[in-house]
Amino acid sequence: GQNIDQPTEMTATEGAIVQINCTYQTSGFNGLFWYQQHAGEAPTFLSYNVLDGLEEKGRFSSFLSRSKGYSYLLLKELQMKDSASYLCASMDSNYQLIWGAGTKLIIKP
Amino acid sequence: DGGITQSPKYLFRKEGQNVTLSCEQNLNHDAMYWYRQDPGQGLRLIYYSQIVNDFQKGDIAEGYSVSREKKESFPLTVTSAQKNPTAFYLCASSGGLRQPQHFGDGTRLSIL
Repeated sequence: GQNIDQPTEMTATEGAIVQINCTYQTSGFNGLFWYQQHAGEAPTFLSYNVLDGLEEKGRFSSFLSRSKGYSYLLLKELQMKDSASYLCASMDSNYQLIWGAGTKLIIKP
Repeated sequence: DGGITQSPKYLFRKEGQNVTLSCEQNLNHDAMYWYRQDPGQGLRLIYYSQIVNDFQKGDIAEGYSVSREKKESFPLTVTSAQKNPTAFYLCASSGGLRQPQHFGDGTRLSIL
């Protein structure tokens, strides 16, 4: 079956670094997406990885290892506004997104 | 400003009633999607459409119906057959097969 696993909740301190992990099992693979979702709002796109390695975009970076079925989102210099849920989604062979339940990130001053 | 507009933001359904959620996009995207989000669960696909006048069922289509008569519009009807409709409904569109999906602000549906 298809499955995405990510931690339910994480806590970090303002100014620090946090890594949110995601493991996936999907029928075929056409890339891994990360989205940010603030409470009560729509998800917004953060990153897309289809090849192995690290993609850096400002304070956010995303890593993919296809052989391990593993990705992580790295957030640096955490700010209070980064408090949100982070959704991992794998695109399967039919180009449909299979979504994880999301990781709620709590930032403490 | 290009984007996706969902309305209404909040909707209440009575027993036995059908309700329709609106989704309009001006991004010129061919593909549109409807998801349901419940607490503690990932987004689940209800219906999707890759082109006008064509749509496919997602994983949880029972109790829902859609139409795609115009490229810009993809309304979702929650029928009385959907016994547990309380959820956050999200509409999305994308510009290609591996392109990111962009979301509207969502409609929160509750039962009266």
